[in-house]
Amino acid sequence: QVQLQESGPGLVKPSETLSLTCDVSGYSISSGYYWGWMRQPPGKGLEWIGSMYHSGSTYYNPSRKSRVTISVDTSKNQFSLKLSSVTAADTAVYYCARETISGWYFDHWGQGTLVTVSA
Amino acid sequence: QSALTQPASVSGSPGQSITISCTGTSSDVGSYNLVSWYQEYPLKAPKLMIYEVNKRPSGVSNRFSGSKSGNTASLTISGLQAEDEADYYCCSYAGSSTVIFGGGTKLTVL
Repeated sequence: QVQLQESGPGLVKPSETLSLTCDVSGYSISSGYYWGWMRQPPGKGLEWIGSMYHSGSTYYNPSRKSRVTISVDTSKNQFSLKLSSVTAADTAVYYCARETISGWYFDHWGQGTLVTVSA
Repeated sequence: QSALTQPASVSGSPGQSITISCTGTSSDVGSYNLVSWYQEYPLKAPKLMIYEVNKRPSGVSNRFSGSKSGNTASLTISGLQAEDEADYYCCSYAGSSTVIFGGGTKLTVL
């Protein structure tokens, strides 16, 4: 059974870089699929941040592209998100998920992790 | 990219059918049969309910169905049950290897 689990600091200071990791179990990232990040600010809807293939190909939300980096570590079967120059507006629950590019949908999700941006 | 438009809330009584709309543009919903729907309970991860407009993943009740007409996709839940009370989000491929979500709809079962 495919499982994903986000981890990282729950509190980040303004202007710093938010860093999260998604550990994948039950499926090898190297075997295929895309792997994506979403977020949900408190009381608001879901937003796609970006996705990547195990080869390193990445696709980002145009509105976030300048601050986002998604990378993969196949040896650890995990992928990561970095969001630079954060502000309070980046406070959200961040989710990682497995994505099927053939249909552009997310079939397995992590439980999500709350990241608060505050001094 | 602007979020797809969903009604903020819908409601229905047990046993009834409800439909949640998801309106996009000719650049996303209208151009691709790549709309998916997710169910989200408070403090829980979203769950895929419909993909590619009208396909159900294994294990999802056949009370859930999807459709699309022009720039608007729809999720219909028939035989409404108390457990269906949740937030629902649509998502569409938007070209150039990007996806876009709707603002979400809160379903209340009266």
